[in-house]
Amino acid sequence: EVQLVQSGAEVKKPGESLKISCKGSGYSFTSYWIGWVRQMPGKGLEWMGIIYPGDSDTRYSPSFQGQVTISADKSISTAYLQWSSLKASDTAMYYCARWDAMKGFDYWGQGTLVTVSS
Amino acid sequence: EIVLTQSPGTLSLSPGERATLSCRASQSVSSSYLAWYQQKPGQAPRLLIYGASSRATGIPDRFSGSGSGTDFTLTISRLEPEDFAVYYCQQYGSSSPWTFGQGTKVEIK
Repeated sequence: EVQLVQSGAEVKKPGESLKISCKGSGYSFTSYWIGWVRQMPGKGLEWMGIIYPGDSDTRYSPSFQGQVTISADKSISTAYLQWSSLKASDTAMYYCARWDAMKGFDYWGQGTLVTVSS
Repeated sequence: EIVLTQSPGTLSLSPGERATLSCRASQSVSSSYLAWYQQKPGQAPRLLIYGASSRATGIPDRFSGSGSGTDFTLTISRLEPEDFAVYYCQQYGSSSPWTFGQGTKVEIK
């Protein structure tokens, strides 16, 4: 069974750094892209970027380029999304999802809620 | 970057009725690489339709997708109580970013 399990909710202060994770299982982790999607409170889905764990090829949405870093450790089947300096506007639910080139995002993690508040 | 515009923003219908949701792209979506997702409150999105018209695994046949080029439609033939949710389209045919539409909420009338 394909599963993506994300790390737990985080509460941070503005200016702090953060790295959240997404662990894949039940499939060949290095054979599928993993993407990250932001959902701000009460809003829609925003495509942030995507990584191919096999070779760490990474693509970012222009809206998120330079704001976040996507990485992966294929030895432990885990993808990451990180911030070096959080802002209040980073408060959102963040989802990871497996990317199938023919199907789109076919499996999703449960989401990680990030709250940034002073 | 391709912009997807969904309409209507909200659809108020009764169980048993037919729902028709639209997704229009700012430029042609290559190879009909258009997906639809359903999201219920407090849950992650779920893939419903890919390739504009193929149902994902386990999706009931009351859900159907159609369209090509810049105009796509998701149809729910007879709404069940569990179908009241928000629906998003996403294009993934061109180079990234693979953008989402802003969503259509299907609510109980």
